Amino acid sequence: DIQMTQSPSSLSASVGDRVTITCRASQNIYNYVNWYQQKPGRAPKFLIYGATSLQRGVPSRFGGSGSGTDFTLTISSLQPEDFATYYCQQSFKTPYTFGQGTKLEIK
Amino acid sequence: VQLVESGGGLVKPGGSLRLSCVASGVTFTNVWMSWVRQAPGKGLEWVGRIKSTSDGGTRDYAAPVKGRFTISRDDSKNTVYLQMNSLKTEDTAVYFCATESAAGLINYFYYMDVWGKGTTVTVSS
Repeated sequence: DIQMTQSPSSLSASVGDRVTITCRASQNIYNYVNWYQQKPGRAPKFLIYGATSLQRGVPSRFGGSGSGTDFTLTISSLQPEDFATYYCQQSFKTPYTFGQGTKLEIK
Repeated sequence: VQLVESGGGLVKPGGSLRLSCVASGVTFTNVWMSWVRQAPGKGLEWVGRIKSTSDGGTRDYAAPVKGRFTISRDDSKNTVYLQMNSLKTEDTAVYFCATESAAGLINYFYYMDVWGKGTTVTVSS
């Protein structure tokens, strides 16, 4: 199975900050990476597919980059509603696998 | 599009449970459906997926559930099921169903775009 490793596991930041979350795949997955946001007690929310394409309705402050094995999710200017846990997921082949998550907390 | 899961509950180790996920606002016959679970305080874990009937209805599973869990669908009821047998304590989790959509022209990118709120399964003696 393809392993997805996120870093950091947790991150403290302030409103207005720019933050970057990294995801590394255990093998080349080209750009078959999706990103999700999850708030406590809620279902995940889909943000980005194909490493860089924003889902409709997702604010443009969210951006994705990368290909091969290294990927990043960037939030250009944190808003209060962005504090949540973020997961990467590979869709290159089944079984799909998720990163362990990055918890973004208010500093 | 809305997804509503049901069927969760408390079950003893070795027992069985069937979860349901009803979809509305979507042409269900064309939709691929996935199940994802989240153990208490843990991350997301993909459980398995069933393709649309028109795409063959193929099913794929994660290793920890293969041979114990079965995904099926009833297009007449807009419902996907997760039959869970030989349950273990480590199957305790919130179980989400999600639609799996695709984008692209030549190469398709698959992603889980609509999620239900989840149903809780507790396996304990």
